[in-house]
Amino acid sequence: KAGVTQTPRYLIKTRGQQVTLSCSPISGHRSVSWYQQTPGQGLQFLFEYFSETQRNKGNFPGRFSGRQFSNSRSEMNVSTLELGDSALYLCASSFEFSYNEQFFGPGTRLTVL
Amino acid sequence: AQTVTQSQPEMSVQEAETVTLSCTYDTSESDYYLFWYKQPPSRQMILVIRQEAYKQQNATENRFSVNFQKAAKSFSLKISDSQLGDAAMYFCALTGANSKLTFGKGITLSVRP
Repeated sequence: KAGVTQTPRYLIKTRGQQVTLSCSPISGHRSVSWYQQTPGQGLQFLFEYFSETQRNKGNFPGRFSGRQFSNSRSEMNVSTLELGDSALYLCASSFEFSYNEQFFGPGTRLTVL
Repeated sequence: AQTVTQSQPEMSVQEAETVTLSCTYDTSESDYYLFWYKQPPSRQMILVIRQEAYKQQNATENRFSVNFQKAAKSFSLKISDSQLGDAAMYFCALTGANSKLTFGKGITLSVRP
């Protein structure tokens, strides 16, 4: 089975712009989660989607949003980018919601100038 | 709220030797899963081992094993016969009913040839 894929792998944006990141889960996986990784804050949970519904949300401002499509692919969007949004964004998929190990994609490295 | 604590930021081990990485956690849930993830310089997060809280037997995957002490809320990872390829950042993580992964700060493991 192919693993979790994320596009693009690298992105450079300027403050105030918006960005959309994409994630394709492992075939058959219905749950997709997003995490932000920074040197200062470590790995922080953004949100999780299961069967096109957001089931869980982390403590991030409303500028961060996401969605999931019927084929389980997911996108996350960050509007009005700030310098502090520079991070590695990791997507993870699992077969079910709850009590499942999550398999991670390679991440999207976002740099905000 | 769930918390995961990895108090050692760095460790070093001689090739072929054994090393133990420590992790403590806290959760109010009675059913949960614990994981160790490895993140090499490529930044790809790789699942190393998982432990279901309801299982008393410690999980083992080849050279990797855990010491799960439920009462003490301790979950350490032992790497036997360390190899150069084991050099990476290791994260301890916890998940429960809401599927969100809570990560520790991570520990950087270096392997001396």
